[in-house]
Amino acid sequence: DAGVIQSPRHEVTEMGQEVTLRCKPISGHDYLFWYRQTMMRGLELLIYFNNNVPIDDSGMPEDRFSAKMPNASFSTLKIQPSEPRDSAVYFCASSLSGPYGYTFGSGTRLTVV
Amino acid sequence: DQQVKQNSPSLSVQEGRISILNCDYTNSMFDYFLWYKKYPAEGPTFLISISSIKDKNEDGRFTVFLNKSAKHLSLHIVPSQPGDSAVYFCAASEGGTSYDKVIFGPGTSLSVIP
Repeated sequence: DAGVIQSPRHEVTEMGQEVTLRCKPISGHDYLFWYRQTMMRGLELLIYFNNNVPIDDSGMPEDRFSAKMPNASFSTLKIQPSEPRDSAVYFCASSLSGPYGYTFGSGTRLTVV
Repeated sequence: DQQVKQNSPSLSVQEGRISILNCDYTNSMFDYFLWYKKYPAEGPTFLISISSIKDKNEDGRFTVFLNKSAKHLSLHIVPSQPGDSAVYFCAASEGGTSYDKVIFGPGTSLSVIP
């Protein structure tokens, strides 16, 4: 299995532009999570899905952030409009169930200038 | 307000010695505790876990200790090796309907000096 695949690996964009981050979870995993890593706050849970349905989006910082999971093999995290403070590494993770089996992708490093 | 705290941003240890990474939590509903390890340019990977019904779990060189009354856990690495140099995240999960939701701490960067 190729693991959790995130794209792009790096994204540099100008303030005000729309940014879309993509994630392909491990086949068969029922849960998908989006995390953001910053120096100040470490790893923050933004939103997670179970069987493609959003379960908890309380970590989404603002209405500028949205996430979708149209099918079991694909999810997107969109920021519109982007701001410099959104600069961070965004991780996607998937699991079969329970807290032990998280597999993380390699992350997308987002820089908003 | 952070529910999982790692108050030491960094730690340096000599190769062969013991590394002790500490973690405190505030949510008394947490039932499962985990440690993840992260190398640069990679995603975190699961290292070791402990259930709230235990106070110790050992896996090779890695041991996690849990003190529920103090809301404190620690990760011991003995002996430390240069390959252990990474960021270590403490994490926790509640039971019930939030079983699958894991809250991470800010991480501690461990450097093992040869």
